[in-house]
Amino acid sequence: GAGVSQSPSNKVTEKGKDVELRCDPISGHTALYWYRQSLGQGLEFLIYFQGNSAPDKSGLPSDRFSAERTGGSVSTLTIQRTQQEDSAVYLCASSLSSGGYKNIQYFGAGTRLSVL
Amino acid sequence: GQNIDQPTEMTATEGAIVQINCTYQTSGFNGLFWYQQHAGEAPTFLSYNVLDGLEEKGRFSSFLSRSKGYSYLLLKELQMKDSASYLCARNYGGSQGNLIFGKGTKLSVKP
Repeated sequence: GAGVSQSPSNKVTEKGKDVELRCDPISGHTALYWYRQSLGQGLEFLIYFQGNSAPDKSGLPSDRFSAERTGGSVSTLTIQRTQQEDSAVYLCASSLSSGGYKNIQYFGAGTRLSVL
Repeated sequence: GQNIDQPTEMTATEGAIVQINCTYQTSGFNGLFWYQQHAGEAPTFLSYNVLDGLEEKGRFSSFLSRSKGYSYLLLKELQMKDSASYLCARNYGGSQGNLIFGKGTKLSVKP
């Protein structure tokens, strides 16, 4: 597609349920990133995929969070046993690669997650 | 640490010029990015600086001083639609691609 696509745009769930968020990056981009943005806070890095390399999971806040990227394209972020503090906007971005100007990241519209 | 500091809020008048400053820690630096984010929308890329100096792109310009760990975004001929948050970000470091973002500067343009 023309840009980064994320679904769903909004998700309301009950505490303790699992959720899956989807990201479809720009075609040809080898790098894919997940960030989250809480009210009044900056974007917080979660996880980063580059080509076929092992993902950089250093930003995941707990073992309830995981992500996969299938076939070097679509990615799914899974949050298990959701908690109220997980409520945030989850943003996905992609870039050509991970060096210099190729690291310019293009963002999707995000998924607004609300945990009740 | 990888702190990025920028003012929380700024107000300016339509037609004026505004400068939004950003300071960052220089260790492992390999690029400085500015993004614009309107309320409820995704961040959109504005500029990328890796060498010292000023990069001009229409009404928006971005400056970098690597030795000082300092950048600014200059917006000229302000328009009401420029009311948004402006996010300063730097690369994490080394070959890692993820970015470290400041909390953003909310700019309000008044008539």
